[in-house]
Amino acid sequence: DVKVTQSSRYLVKRTGEKVFLECVQDMDHENMFWYRQDPGLGLRLIYFSYDVKMKEKGDIPEGYSVSREKKERFSLILESASTNQTSMYLCASSFVSGGETQYFGPGTRLLVL
Amino acid sequence: AQSVTQPDIHITVSEGASLELRCNYSYGATPYLFWYVQSPGQGLQLLLKYFSGDTLVQGIKGFEAEFKRSQSSFNLRKPSVHWSDAAEYFCAVLDTGRRALTFGSGTRLQVQP
Repeated sequence: DVKVTQSSRYLVKRTGEKVFLECVQDMDHENMFWYRQDPGLGLRLIYFSYDVKMKEKGDIPEGYSVSREKKERFSLILESASTNQTSMYLCASSFVSGGETQYFGPGTRLLVL
Repeated sequence: AQSVTQPDIHITVSEGASLELRCNYSYGATPYLFWYVQSPGQGLQLLLKYFSGDTLVQGIKGFEAEFKRSQSSFNLRKPSVHWSDAAEYFCAVLDTGRRALTFGSGTRLQVQP
């Protein structure tokens, strides 16, 4: 079974803190994604990556950055956390060929005070 | 740009009753369509997907969905709902250029005993 793990299920941070969310997949997937989930808005794409050291902006990249130093690991970074970044963050991965299924991690619920 | 609309925010059905969740999409080419389910506090699990071929696709947990190109719809159905089906359901279309999913806003299903 494909496994996508996220470093924390719950996080509480203060405004202005730098926050790191880690995602690891064990299926040698090339593609990795970070989504943000908010009630009534579904999931929105923050950043994605096709390969090591590659990254592409999604639909809502402002206030976020990412790092992919190893194929299996994709990190989401909140440079200076703000209260409007309180949300559920979901990581996903898939193979490079078009149409492949995305597999999701359990999510990290982040509260910024 | 592609989009997905799930017109029902919240649906309540009785256990044993049939279920249909609506999904309409907007996409310029042949769509790759997905239904995911999210149980409380969990990540997303794939129920089924449509890439091509037979327009009626079968998924896990007794779910099926029908692709209707003329109506730009991909509705999810189940003939008899179980209490364990209570969850949030998301329809999504694959952006083949970015290999990322565009999600609808979700439908929360409540099952009455």
